[in-house]
Amino acid sequence: GDSVTQMEGPVTLSEEAFLTINCTYTATGYPSLFWYVQYPGEGLQLLLKATKADDKGSNKGFEATYRKETTSFHLEKGSVQVSDSAVYFCAPPDSGAGSYQLTFGKGTKLSVIP
Amino acid sequence: DADVTQTPRNRITKTGKRIMLECSQTKGHDRMYWYRQDPGLGLQLIYYSFDVKDINKGEISDGYSVSRQAQAKFSLSLESAIPNQTALYFCATSETGDSYNEQFFGPGTRLTVL
Repeated sequence: GDSVTQMEGPVTLSEEAFLTINCTYTATGYPSLFWYVQYPGEGLQLLLKATKADDKGSNKGFEATYRKETTSFHLEKGSVQVSDSAVYFCAPPDSGAGSYQLTFGKGTKLSVIP
Repeated sequence: DADVTQTPRNRITKTGKRIMLECSQTKGHDRMYWYRQDPGLGLQLIYYSFDVKDINKGEISDGYSVSRQAQAKFSLSLESAIPNQTALYFCATSETGDSYNEQFFGPGTRLTVL
């Protein structure tokens, strides 16, 4: 079954707006959590990660904090740019798989307009 | 040079044809994965391999087969292609370890089955 719930898109923002993309998950233990980004015409690439509870991952102005009490890993950016237009995927481990697979959310398409 | 490469990048084929998608990596990783991406569905795991002699089914393996010819190569075959296999296919790799590790993606193969 599903182990990740990600905010559905598409999301359209003006440049310099604040971005939040919600992600909640179910998992046993306290695994590492990931956000991936897919730019148009490309494969997925790691955006940021957090390896333990209360850890904050950050990269390119994006941040996400690993909240074990709410099992959430929401992605935020204070001021988006046109170049941030992409699809964003939350990726916790597959719940109960025991095989170190990742489960990818359905993706949230972000479009930033000038 | 890219660490994870996929060939072909685009392929158009007809219903009933057998086709093979190939993936090569120079990262020295033991673990390799095949995913398909459909609009609005995120990524779904087809097969994965943790070493040359290890093959495991993912959540949507029906209609697909794989071969792990060497540590660096992992190919995906569609024995008899059908139109609902039209999708974007990604290969990925990761290190071996006791934690949930980052996956590195190829650029993708866009497959169209007519």
